[in-house]
Amino acid sequence: DAKTTQPPSMDCAEGRAANLPCNHSTISGNEYVYWYRQIHSQGPQYIIHGLKNNETNEMASLIITEDRKSSTLILPHATLRDTAVYYCIVSRPGAGNKLTFGGGTRVLVKP
Amino acid sequence: EAQVTQNPRYLITVTGKKLTVTCSQNMNHEYMSWYRQDPGLGLRQIYYSMNVEVTDKGDVPEGYKVSRKEKRNFPLILESPSPNQTSLYFCASSLGGPILNTEAFFGQGTRLTVV
Repeated sequence: DAKTTQPPSMDCAEGRAANLPCNHSTISGNEYVYWYRQIHSQGPQYIIHGLKNNETNEMASLIITEDRKSSTLILPHATLRDTAVYYCIVSRPGAGNKLTFGGGTRVLVKP
Repeated sequence: EAQVTQNPRYLITVTGKKLTVTCSQNMNHEYMSWYRQDPGLGLRQIYYSMNVEVTDKGDVPEGYKVSRKEKRNFPLILESPSPNQTSLYFCASSLGGPILNTEAFFGQGTRLTVV
């Protein structure tokens, strides 16, 4: 599975959009980009995933570049409850849905 | 409510005393996995199962066993726990197959301390 690179931390103001970047330059054609988050020591929570098209759901938007070498997770209106570690993961079908977690980005939403 | 349930949530045990951490999901998912999370090392996969009676090693399988006799249950067994297995453990399940790729649901975690 392709490796990902994320900034270790970032701050965001409450109510503003949070843009979380992720580089996955070695991604292959059948690998999906997933985003999960982990609040404190709770179980990771799925946010969104995509293959090559941009995706949006009730939690976030995912923007994938045309060459698929990077992506951005957008939290449109960050709240204090969005403070968490956010993980960008690439995963290929048939791999047992194995998720390889990197270091993630620790996001702190400030009032 | 769709969920993955782990038990116990907290466990303190002594070296060498066999223990089992249970995991159950109510979503009829084929795939189930166990992860451990350690400071500075992140989440690492221990074992996974693609279906009943089908299990395989993840990245850090040493010292662990699993079984998948029923679709809903995927217990993690530590035959002879050691202090280096002190960790936070997560069970996960997902619906998938050779060409599908879907979201994983995680349990709330089991914090294990081996003294």
